[in-house]
Formats: sequence, C-alpha cells, structure tokens
Amino acid sequence: ETGVTQTPRHLVMGMTNKKSLKCEQHLGHNAMYWYKQSAKKPLELMFVYNFKEQTENNSVPSRFSPECPNSSHLFLHLHTLQPEDSALYLCASSQDLGNYGYTFGSGTRLTVV
Amino acid sequence: GESVGLHLPTLSVQEGDNSIINCAYSNSASDYFIWYKQESGKGPQFIIDIRSNMDKRQGQRVTVLLNKTVKHLSLQIAATQPGDSAVYFCAESRGAGSYQLTFGKGTKLSVIP
Repeated sequence: ETGVTQTPRHLVMGMTNKKSLKCEQHLGHNAMYWYKQSAKKPLELMFVYNFKEQTENNSVPSRFSPECPNSSHLFLHLHTLQPEDSALYLCASSQDLGNYGYTFGSGTRLTVV
Repeated sequence: GESVGLHLPTLSVQEGDNSIINCAYSNSASDYFIWYKQESGKGPQFIIDIRSNMDKRQGQRVTVLLNKTVKHLSLQIAATQPGDSAVYFCAESRGAGSYQLTFGKGTKLSVIP
C-alpha cells in the first residue's frame, strides 16, 4: 500500500449507469489529483484539488464530476459514460501543489459497456 | 505540440545487465524531471528526480542523466533484476509557476532471467 487507497479496484458499468470512484489518503497531503491512463497513451491530468478546492479542470467532459469533501478524500462521479472512457483512473496526492513527490493509488480499472 | 516522449516502447535485458531507458522532451522551459515505475496492477511509483541545474543524479542502482542541449533524459538501472520489470515513465514540469506534470507514454522493461 502506498498510502493512497482507491476503491473499487475494478468497475464495469453501462452507459446509462451512475457510479463513483473513491480515493482516500492519510498522508497529510494537501493536494489531490485525478489522472486517466488509457492504453498506449500518456497519463492525462483530469482534475486538481488543493486544500479541497478545485484548481484545475483539464477540459474534462461534464460526465465526469469530481468532489473533494476534505483534504483526505476525493471522489469522481461518473454518469452517462462512453465506451472510450474505459481506462485506468488513478488518484494521486502530494504535500502541496508544486511538490512533485506524487503518491499514486493503484487505480480503478473502469470498463464502460 | 510540446510533449514528453520515449524513444522505445519496449526493452528486454538479461538479468544482471544494465538497462538504459531514454526520454526526449521538447519544452526548453521544463526545469524538473521525474522517473516513475509502474508495475502491473499498480499505480506509478516515484523512482528518482532531477532538476535542470544538474546533469546527473544517482540513487540506489539508478542514475538519471539530463542533457539539456539535446533535451534528452535517461534512466540507467544497474544490475537489472526481475523485480525491475515494469513500465517506466518520464515526466516533466513545465517550469516555474506550473504545478502540472507532463508524462511520456512509457517504456516497458522486461528482464530475462
């Protein structure tokens, strides 16, 4: 375990479903991130939160909705996804923005059918 | 556009040999670089970093070399072990004031016993 825990590890959902991904860290980090990892593509930054405030939305479609109730928890709410959204979704945290000592979770493998 | 990339998608080495993984970047303003290791089923794990005011940095069995003239970064792994089998990513910070990392696609290292 890295200190960043993601649940579930695997998720299969239909295009009309609504589901949520959860990320939790108790490292005392103030910044949290959502990344998307697709096959044969670089990691893509989706959202950045600093002290539970969103500081970055990297032109992510509105069918992805992040939520950060506190500095330790981060959610990614999913609705009406497309098959091309199937990917590994990684959560990461760092002590602060600009501190690149990211700690990644193991990810949620999402399959949209 | 500006990007971080890798010269080879796969690399196979004999156990005990040294491995060299390469990365090219195009943003001359990048001032910080990181190498990550991602094992199957896990998130990326920080290996070693280097700032643009350095040419070389050594860790335990790993060395990162930075050539700013040709915008090239390499990761050298000494005495490669089966546990080193993974995908290796380089990432760059876009310079002062940026807290985003740009990741390369990754090189898959396979160690032959």
